[in-house]
Amino acid sequence: SQQGEEDPQALSIQEGENATMNCSYKTSINNLQWYRQNSGRGLVHLILIRSNEREKHSGRLRVTLDTSKKSSSLLITASRAADTASYFCATGNNAGNMLTFGGGTRLMVKP
Amino acid sequence: EPEVTQTPSHQVTQMGQEVILRCVPISNHLYFYWYRQILGQKVEFLVSFYNNEISEKSEIFDDQFSVERPDGSNFTLKIRSTKLEDSAMYFCASNLTPRDGYTFGSGTRLTVV
Repeated sequence: SQQGEEDPQALSIQEGENATMNCSYKTSINNLQWYRQNSGRGLVHLILIRSNEREKHSGRLRVTLDTSKKSSSLLITASRAADTASYFCATGNNAGNMLTFGGGTRLMVKP
Repeated sequence: EPEVTQTPSHQVTQMGQEVILRCVPISNHLYFYWYRQILGQKVEFLVSFYNNEISEKSEIFDDQFSVERPDGSNFTLKIRSTKLEDSAMYFCASNLTPRDGYTFGSGTRLTVV
């Protein structure tokens, strides 16, 4: 797979359930970031986890990073219909001057 | 909350024409970027810019592309002679330090006909 690949590609859940999205990457990274994109709109930064961190929380979001497995997960707890969007992981290179995005997970939360 | 502003939101241009996409990054940010997303595909890095210089560019960013910060607030992407395959959503982004999260603009949808 390529740098920053998300799994699954699409996820459909009921409101109130938790959503978990995974991301794998290939090269060494400085940080890993998660972004959200509503259809046809811009990317919104959700959370950044540095390569020396293992877990980070922000509100209903929980991100883990396993550098030995080159993988990360994003957990959205108690999902809402408004969480319906595409979610992308992006790895920051060591020079800190570019992000490499994955293909994204399309999340649908049904009311 | 501060925003990155991009204009225009949509642009249609004839193949071979020059286009300039405009961005106003967040005022105290120092690092600026352009990314693009072809419909249905991944977001792709084009170029990063700091201290009035390109700090990194991708293979996509060939001689047809250029960036400029003409004044203290604007950051522009110019495509000299557009091709059909340049049709995409172009996103500008900025951050204060290169290892921070990025603030993206809402994008310019470029359609080359």
